[in-house]
Amino acid sequence: DTGVSQDPRHKITKRGQNVTFRCDPISEHNRLYWYRQTLGQGPEFLTYFQNEAQLEKSRLLSDRFSAERPKGSFSTLEIQRTEQGDSAMYLCASSESWTSGGAVEQFFGPGTRLTVL
Amino acid sequence: KQEVTQIPAALSVPEGENLVLNCSFTDSAIYNLQWFRQDPGKGLTSLLLIQSSQREQTSGRLNASLDKSSGRSTLYIAASQPGDSATYLCAVSHDNSNYQLIWGAGTKLIIKP
Repeated sequence: DTGVSQDPRHKITKRGQNVTFRCDPISEHNRLYWYRQTLGQGPEFLTYFQNEAQLEKSRLLSDRFSAERPKGSFSTLEIQRTEQGDSAMYLCASSESWTSGGAVEQFFGPGTRLTVL
Repeated sequence: KQEVTQIPAALSVPEGENLVLNCSFTDSAIYNLQWFRQDPGKGLTSLLLIQSSQREQTSGRLNASLDKSSGRSTLYIAASQPGDSATYLCAVSHDNSNYQLIWGAGTKLIIKP
C-alpha cells in the first residue's frame, strides 16, 4: 500500500503526558500537512511542510505542539502536557507541490484518534 | 476570512434516489475545491477536485459543480446505494501558495435500503 500511513491509530493518555504521532506520506510527495478534527466538525489546518521546511503554522498550534519533518520524508507531531481539549482526530495529508494542470490534490491518512483522560 | 458551510447537516434518503449535497463559501477567490468522503472513525477519501477555472467534474455516479461567482458547489450522487452512506465534506484552497484547505462541517448521508 503506497498511501499515507499514520501511527498509532489510537492513543489514550492521561492529562499532562506527552504524546507523539508519526505520519509517512506518499513517497513522491514533497508537501505534508497536519490537521485536527473534532467530532462533528470539519478538519482544521495545523501546519504544513515543503520538504523539511515548516512553512506555515496555524494559531491553533500552541507552544505545546511541535511538528518536525527532519529528512523531508516522514513527519512527527508532538503534544506536550496534554489537556482534555486536545482530544481529537489528528489527520496527516500529503501532496505534490504543483502539477502541470494546477490541480494539486491532498491525500489523507487514516488519522490518529487521541483521547486525553 | 473564508467560511465554508454545508447544508443540510444530515440527510436520509431511500436507496436508488438521486441527491444533491450543497457547499457554500464566502470568499469567491478560491484556487481549488475538493469533495471528500469520510466513513465513521476513518480518514478522508478524496472524491473530486474542481479547479477554479472549471465548472464541473465527474467520476462515475458523482458529479460536482462549481459556481465561483455565487460561492457555491454541489455534489450530485446518482442512483444512491447503501454503500454511499458516509459524511461528505467540501474544502476550498485559498490560492496556489500553500494549498491550505478550509473545510465545511460536512453532510452526514444515510441511504436506506
